[in-house]
Amino acid sequence: GAVVSQHPSWVICKSGTSVKIECRSLDFQATTMFWYRQFPKQSLMLMATSNEGSKATYEQGVEKDKFLINHASLTLSTLTVTSAHPEDSSFYICSASATGGSGEQYFGPGTRLTVT
Amino acid sequence: QKEVEQDPGPLSVPEGAIVSLNCTYSNSAFQYFMWYRQYSRKGPELLMYTYSSGNKEDGRFTAQVDKSSKYISLFIRDSQPSDSATYLCAMSVTGGGNKLTFGTGTQLKVEL
Repeated sequence: GAVVSQHPSWVICKSGTSVKIECRSLDFQATTMFWYRQFPKQSLMLMATSNEGSKATYEQGVEKDKFLINHASLTLSTLTVTSAHPEDSSFYICSASATGGSGEQYFGPGTRLTVT
Repeated sequence: QKEVEQDPGPLSVPEGAIVSLNCTYSNSAFQYFMWYRQYSRKGPELLMYTYSSGNKEDGRFTAQVDKSSKYISLFIRDSQPSDSATYLCAMSVTGGGNKLTFGTGTQLKVEL
């Protein structure tokens, strides 16, 4: 149980284009999902908290117009990187917390984004 | 000073050794404590989840929380090469899907 998937696992895009990453909780409902960014050999940096049916809460320094988050259902959240630039290249990971659960967060396998 | 401090390692041990991984923290409001294992280029995997002080055991893993000292530990018994990964501690003030504060992670290598 408690499986979170991400799609795609790896994407290469050209500078100036937009990329959408999906995060799904496969066997549980998740009122809250989180989006993280991780640089090589560094810990996870929380970008935003996504609650189903409401606007995401972004961490300080994260551009909400650049990183669009939508949490349209209890099993799906999406992160769209708009007008991507090479500095947006990173490992993006989502996590989900089960509705009514005790607070454990389960992580997806991550999406590696390379912007050329 | 970071809210959560964790020695980045790398920590290298022989197969079969007992591994001790630790984190200290400064926010006394933290009540929920987690340990995650992350293999290279993969998402973190939840290993242990504990509330408040005390011990919790699951197979070869034991998590300890000492809130009075603001110190948490993860012990791995009979370590295996497959345990080689980065171990991240994480904590939160409340459960119920609130955001986590992570340590920087300790890189562990278990050698044959």
